[in-house]
Amino acid sequence: NAGVTQTPKFQVLKTGQSMTLQCAQDMNHEYMSWYRQDPGMGLRLIHYSVGAGITDQGEVPNGYNVSRSTTEDFPLRLLSAAPSQTSVYFCASSYSAGGGYEQYFGPGTRLTVT
Amino acid sequence: GENVEQHPSTLSVQEGDSAVIKCTYSDSASNYFPWYKQELGKGPQLIIDIRSNVGEKKDQRIAVTLNKTAKHFSLHITETQPEDSAVYFCAARGRRALTFGSGTRLQVQP
Repeated sequence: NAGVTQTPKFQVLKTGQSMTLQCAQDMNHEYMSWYRQDPGMGLRLIHYSVGAGITDQGEVPNGYNVSRSTTEDFPLRLLSAAPSQTSVYFCASSYSAGGGYEQYFGPGTRLTVT
Repeated sequence: GENVEQHPSTLSVQEGDSAVIKCTYSDSASNYFPWYKQELGKGPQLIIDIRSNVGEKKDQRIAVTLNKTAKHFSLHITETQPEDSAVYFCAARGRRALTFGSGTRLQVQP
């Protein structure tokens, strides 16, 4: 199993550009989520999905869109990048949202918006 | 929503000493408390977790304790080694998802 994979590893955008961060898992996990990590602030939940076709907002959803058309993939879209979105983005998945199942994290995407 | 506070933000210990990291949470409905270790340039990795019906759990040099009444839980690492140096995050699972603490940078001096 590859686990959770994310592409790209690094990205530089100009203000106003759009892009999609890719996330895929091969563990047949129901639950997938996106976090951003900023210095001194831990990981903050952006969006999550409890299954294909179902998504919901997390703590910091503004400026980001998600969709879940398959169990395996959970892309994160930035519609109009802003410098405040400079961060490291992590995708995670787990067997289920409830019951205390381990969340597996991808290696992260480091995004810089100039 | 859930709020998780973590202390200290940095911790430096000598090799062989113990390290303790503490977290508090706000939502009494939270029932799952994992701890993650993050090495430089990598994603967080689960090292130990505890559920609300258990007060303590141990795995070799790592232990976690939970006090539901006081809403706090702690990570204990004994006989620290240089490879324990990393950033550690606590988290609490509330009604919707995991909420993370702000992290503790642990430095183990050889």
